Amino acid sequence: TQLLEQSPQFLSIQEGENLTVYCNSSSVFSSLQWYRQEPGEGPVLLVTVVTGGEVKKLKRLTFQFGDARKDSSLHITAAQPGDTGLYLCAGERGGSNYKLTFGKGTLLTVNP
Amino acid sequence: GAVVSQHPSRVICKSGTSVKIECRSLDFQATTMFWYRQFPKKSLMLMATSNEGSKATYEQGVEKDKFLINHASLTLSTLTVTSAHPEDSSFYICSARDLTAYGYTFGSGTRLTVV
Repeated sequence: TQLLEQSPQFLSIQEGENLTVYCNSSSVFSSLQWYRQEPGEGPVLLVTVVTGGEVKKLKRLTFQFGDARKDSSLHITAAQPGDTGLYLCAGERGGSNYKLTFGKGTLLTVNP
Repeated sequence: GAVVSQHPSRVICKSGTSVKIECRSLDFQATTMFWYRQFPKKSLMLMATSNEGSKATYEQGVEKDKFLINHASLTLSTLTVTSAHPEDSSFYICSARDLTAYGYTFGSGTRLTVV
């Protein structure tokens, strides 16, 4: 059972286009994190959202955490070829259960 | 920020041999570290949670006798792939949680190729 449904799995767009990646679950998470990973490297944390309804911006990236803390989205405005990579959402359940549940990932390709 | 160092970055070994991968937290103490396996263009799959001073907790379907985990200090966890076979070839990644901050820090991964 995939606890975190991430979509789309693959996305190929032209430079300058906007895109949104979704991460949905039936479970509540104490925090949700977004990572970006390049080939042959470990994931790099982009943002952590912890409050329901929270919106965080990182340059052209906007992250939202759902009010019920069950879903999240990543919106990229005016995508650049440098945004190409694997984007991963991961949820943490809280308490003493320090363990991340990963979505399946979104492989984004931005063509020049 | 928190840094996790993982070595080696690449290793090629012969079938039947064992390979050890190290994961170190450089500027923070990590009572818990995590080991993941990742297939090409796929997400991370948690293999086990490494607990300092105690036995690792393995996820369902992961052979604990094949993937030996040792977490002898607050800054070092090791994963040993024993009697490696070609199907063990994969990208292995460790991570640690800095309890003073949200978010997990990941190592740069180890590409294991068993020939």
